[in-house]
Formats: sequence, C-alpha cells, structure tokens
Amino acid sequence: DQQVKQNSPSLSVQEGRISILNCDYTNSMFDYFLWYKKYPAEGPTFLISISSIKDKNEDGRFTVFLNKSAKHLSLHIVPSQPGDSAVYFCAARDENTGNQFYFGTGTSLTVIP
Amino acid sequence: DTEVTQTPKHLVMGMTNKKSLKCEQHMGHRAMYWYKQKAKKPPELMFVYSYEKLSINESVPSRFSPECPNSSLLNLHLHALQPEDSALYLCASSQRGSGANVLTFGAGSRLTVL
Repeated sequence: DQQVKQNSPSLSVQEGRISILNCDYTNSMFDYFLWYKKYPAEGPTFLISISSIKDKNEDGRFTVFLNKSAKHLSLHIVPSQPGDSAVYFCAARDENTGNQFYFGTGTSLTVIP
Repeated sequence: DTEVTQTPKHLVMGMTNKKSLKCEQHMGHRAMYWYKQKAKKPPELMFVYSYEKLSINESVPSRFSPECPNSSLLNLHLHALQPEDSALYLCASSQRGSGANVLTFGAGSRLTVL
C-alpha cells in the first residue's frame, strides 16, 4: 500500500520556466515532508522540507507547498536549470514512529536547454 | 563532517558468497537506516537502528543481517543472496527524536548477485 504517491513519472520543462512536481499522501499522521533529488548511481540528496504546521517553505529557487486538507504537496522550481534534471522523490515522516520515512515513486525531471 | 560514507561502491558476489556492506557517519546522528532501491522504484526501508539498537525490521529475509557496532557504524552482512537481491543499497542517518528530522543518505553500494 503506497502511502506516498507521485503520479507523474516524468516531466519535461524548458530552461527558465517553472517546474512543478506533485505528491499526494494518504496517512494523516505524517507530520514532516521532504523532497530529495537523485542523480543516477548516487544516493538521494536532501533538497527542502516542510512541517505539517506550515503551508509553504521557500529556499532560493525551491518552494514547497503543503495542502493538508487535500493531503497534497508540491515542489516548485523557478527558474528551472539544466542541472536540475534528476529524479525527485517526495518523502513523509510518520509522527508515531519518528524514524519511519515513506517515499514516493519519484518523478524524473528533464530541463531542456 | 556532513557525510554518510558507504563502502564498497560496487560489489559483485555469487549466491554462495558472504560479504558485507559498510556505512559510517560522524554527524552524531543516533538513528541509522538501510534502504534498498531498485531501478525506477522508491527506496524501500529494510532496517532502522536507534541508539545502536534495532528498532525496525521490515520483514527482511534472514540472508540480510544488519549490525550496528557503535553509533557511527552500520554494517549489512550478506549471505546466500539471490539474483533478485541485486540493487542499490543505501545507508542513511538522522537525528533521533521529534522535530526537524532529515535523512542524510550515502552514495550507495551497487550490489550485483550472479
């Protein structure tokens, strides 16, 4: 049972435009959400996070939005750069366990120069 | 030091071999994890150690045996693996407890079972 879902396996965006990656979850006990970026043959790299008590967190070109009522979060990258091309994973933490992180299936982003 | 170091980067083993994957972190993190990742799939949790004690075992077959010798080291002992166990094995660590809690991953060990 996939508790974190990324329904778009891939996304292509022109350089300089906005990339929007989406993530849905089912578990209302998730209290913390993270986005990771992964290049081939490397481990995931932490990008940005948001607590369930907030609805927006911004870090440079990256902004994460959380809609708790819809159990939906999104990552906005503006402006997109070719170096952003990677697989992006959404992850959520279950506050009951504190140490249990659930990952989505990933979205492969390609930024076209 | 903000890194998780995994060795070896690549490992090829036969089904009768015994090998180990190693992971090290010096960030003072008290929770350490093993994840398995297959191509085009999300990382799957295998084990969690919290304060050097096994706290989560996601029904992993006994041919995978984790070990946490101290707060900085995490091993994964491999024995009698199957070809379907070929995958990228990721180690991660995090601070224990509630509050902001980020998993820091290593680069992974690419395992091929022949």
